[in-house]
Amino acid sequence: ETGVTQTPRHLVMGMTNKKSLKCEQHLGHNAMYWYKQSAKKPLELMFVYNFKEQTENNSVPSRFSPECPNSSHLFLHLHTLQPEDSALYLCASSQDSGQGIYYGYTFGSGTRLTVV
Amino acid sequence: GQQLNQSPQSMFIQEGEDVSMNCTSSSIFNTWLWYKQDPGEGPVLLIALYKAGELTSNGRLTAQFGITRKDSFLNISASIPSDVGIYFCAGPLHYSGGGADGLTFGKGTHLIIQP
Repeated sequence: ETGVTQTPRHLVMGMTNKKSLKCEQHLGHNAMYWYKQSAKKPLELMFVYNFKEQTENNSVPSRFSPECPNSSHLFLHLHTLQPEDSALYLCASSQDSGQGIYYGYTFGSGTRLTVV
Repeated sequence: GQQLNQSPQSMFIQEGEDVSMNCTSSSIFNTWLWYKQDPGEGPVLLIALYKAGELTSNGRLTAQFGITRKDSFLNISASIPSDVGIYFCAGPLHYSGGGADGLTFGKGTHLIIQP
């Protein structure tokens, strides 16, 4: 396996369900991210983990709960979601060189979430 | 965080034509990134720019970091069917950040190629 892998690719869940999205990166990167992509909107940053520590929570509702057990894995736990939470959820990773040069993210293919 | 305005929103072109799109910001950026997203996939990095005035190519793609540091341009020469997709510009969420603390993205330019 190479790159950034997200599972599942598609998920349909009811508003009372609890589910989790999984992301795994095989690139040796030290930062991981969750983004939400909705139609006709820019990609919205949700959470940032740098060296397994959460460094950014972009005003995300508490029904979304991230977990980063190690630098290769990232989860997004979902509970009591609303229909407007239906979107493509993208995971990404990057390497912070700490030297002012930034090489951008590697994204996974995303999980298409539908809340019914 | 900084916000990016990307235009045009969509482009309908003939195969073989050249394409130009741009991205502007009200704030100064120290890094500009251009991504492409194919249907059902995550965005893929095309070009990264780090210096005002920099011009960088990747095959038929050329991107420029504007002199004012508030804009960037992406050109595609001699478009082919596989160029279809959504093109995003991106930059660091916080000016003081290197980008590892988050990127902000434009809304994207949808490129559609008519046979």
